[in-house]
Amino acid sequence: DAGITQSPRHKVTETGTPVTLRCHQTENHRYMYWYRQDPGHGLRLIHYSYGVKDTDKGEVSDGYSVSRSKTEDFLLTLESATSSQTSVYFCAAGPKQFFGPGTRLTVL
Amino acid sequence: AQTVTQSQPEMSVQEAETVTLSCTYDTSENNYYLFWYKQPPSRQMILVIRQEAYKQQNATENRFSVNFQKAAKSFSLKISDSQLGDTAMYFCAFMKHDNNAGNMLTFGGGTRLMVKP
Repeated sequence: DAGITQSPRHKVTETGTPVTLRCHQTENHRYMYWYRQDPGHGLRLIHYSYGVKDTDKGEVSDGYSVSRSKTEDFLLTLESATSSQTSVYFCAAGPKQFFGPGTRLTVL
Repeated sequence: AQTVTQSQPEMSVQEAETVTLSCTYDTSENNYYLFWYKQPPSRQMILVIRQEAYKQQNATENRFSVNFQKAAKSFSLKISDSQLGDTAMYFCAFMKHDNNAGNMLTFGGGTRLMVKP
């Protein structure tokens, strides 16, 4: 797991509320990634970061924003959660893309 | 853009037997990596094996080996001596080799493997 943790591990929220997911790594990796996993789609890239304050969009970035103020932390924010954002979210880090344990998010 | 296709949504195999999972991909890149990930019921994504496209030799990790056919854009995973603990979803993934950009993974839709006792 290369020292990658995610918080929270589970969250239930209501439509329209803001949600922030946190990814923390201890290996000083430059690159970090956020993916979402939905049935039939495998994992799809939301956003990634190539350094502090350096981020870019992935395949399914609409409705999400990210921030990276420190090397070890990569935050994913849903400004106004929708039911279509119910999913399992995975963070990954490093050139070998070690994954965190995932966060199950349910938007009611 | 790259695409990864896993044509077998579900497979099953008897314990101790051998099973092969298929993966094809489409890319115009010449330098890239291919991966197989295992996702057990715990949901953890576990890297099983990695292949560099410039290497002709097929990667092997204990009971797991790949058959990499670059011209055919095929990357199958063979699991020998299947064990009950191999029961999981298996994802094939592609990553472009680019030292100056984020090395994003493109995943296939997955194959659910059931190992039967």
